[in-house]
Amino acid sequence: DADVTQTPRNRITKTGKRIMLECSQTKGHDRMYWYRQDPGLGLRLIYYSFDVKDINKGEISDGYSVSRQAQAKFSLSLESAIPNQTALYFCATSDYRQGATGELFFGEGSRLTVL
Amino acid sequence: DQQVKQNSPSLSVQEGRISILNCDYTNSMFDYFLWYKKYPAEGPTFLISISSIKDKNEDGRFTVFLNKSAKHLSLHIVPSQPGDSAVYFCAASEEAGANNLFFGTGTRLTVIP
Repeated sequence: DADVTQTPRNRITKTGKRIMLECSQTKGHDRMYWYRQDPGLGLRLIYYSFDVKDINKGEISDGYSVSRQAQAKFSLSLESAIPNQTALYFCATSDYRQGATGELFFGEGSRLTVL
Repeated sequence: DQQVKQNSPSLSVQEGRISILNCDYTNSMFDYFLWYKKYPAEGPTFLISISSIKDKNEDGRFTVFLNKSAKHLSLHIVPSQPGDSAVYFCAASEEAGANNLFFGTGTRLTVIP
């Protein structure tokens, strides 16, 4: 089983709908992240969390919210989805003790299409 | 504005030859640089990193070179193997750890058998 699991893997929805992407990890890492990947733009950071009580905005947080329900769970919500939020979303974790390398462990991605 | 740039969207190399992937950055505060590899339908996986106090880091067939004055880094793969065919992302950060990594747009490497 994957160490970082994202659900759903694929989702098609309509403009204005509320969508939640979920992420769970078994690596025991404190830090969790949500990135989005768009063609020609690489990966961009949406939100990150150092622990359950710590949530931080990333480069492109507008239109998104997150919840860190437990050390192992970090969910991303789109309160009212719009077509330009169509993208591939990645959850990632990192271990503070390995922080010097910046190594992120990514999930397999959630492809979201907003019609 | 893209702070980390990979100007070559794709690269094709014969098996056994050297693959050189390039990355440029604009933020002089970046101190840590990483390369990630991504296969289709999978998340990116960490490949190799380098701190700004070094100009070279080697791990098996993979070597990363950093030229701070030119704000340029490159990833060399020698010898290239078909299994290396993937998208490679360059990433940079101002501080140790992955608090805020800036990624490039990726280069798709194809190694031809």
